[in-house]
Amino acid sequence: DAMVIQNPRYQVTQFGKPVTLSCSQTLNHNVMYWYQQKSSQAPKLLFHYYDKDFNNEADTPDNFQSRRPNTSFCFLDIRSPGLGDAAMYLCATSSQGLADDNEQFFGPGTRLTVL
Amino acid sequence: AQRVTQPEKLLSVFKGAPVELKCNYSYSGSPELFWYVQYSRQRLQLLLRHISRESIKGFTADLNKGETSFHLKKPFAQEEDSAMYYCAPSPGGFKTIFGAGTRLFVKA
Repeated sequence: DAMVIQNPRYQVTQFGKPVTLSCSQTLNHNVMYWYQQKSSQAPKLLFHYYDKDFNNEADTPDNFQSRRPNTSFCFLDIRSPGLGDAAMYLCATSSQGLADDNEQFFGPGTRLTVL
Repeated sequence: AQRVTQPEKLLSVFKGAPVELKCNYSYSGSPELFWYVQYSRQRLQLLLRHISRESIKGFTADLNKGETSFHLKKPFAQEEDSAMYYCAPSPGGFKTIFGAGTRLFVKA
């Protein structure tokens, strides 16, 4: 089945130690998103890629970076994780075209713990 | 400022009772409007979109432009409807803003 896959599902890192979260998709969608969701809060958009064009949200900290080496893969890099970065990180995709709306397809998420 | 409000964090109803999950938004223009749902141990997924005016799993959502509301309704709640529901306007481009969510609990 076509889907959005996130690895790992659970990630533990130490304060200040760089960490990378991975997302892959078999939907061939041209847009990929990263969201941060803290407990009992709404998913918050960090950034998205439209094809290779990177779009950062204005309030996304510089500590968060992303890479999209090809259509299928997108990575979230946290350069120096702080305790406040512990959250669920959601990857999503959408297909943008003349006949498409903005329905997003989500991965299962990666839960990040910072010790 | 662009904002979406779901006033109820938790909504508890009995099986067979009507249910309404409220959503109010403040955006200029005419955003696309969506409801997403997350069942226990499952990923976030689209429930319905305003543009298609569809009914999914017995749920409908009515857009009231005057009140800028997009409430989700179902006449007879089922236990399997218990989940987290997010109202999600998309104001344009690729951006979707998610509300804080309402947890629906349907009691037997």
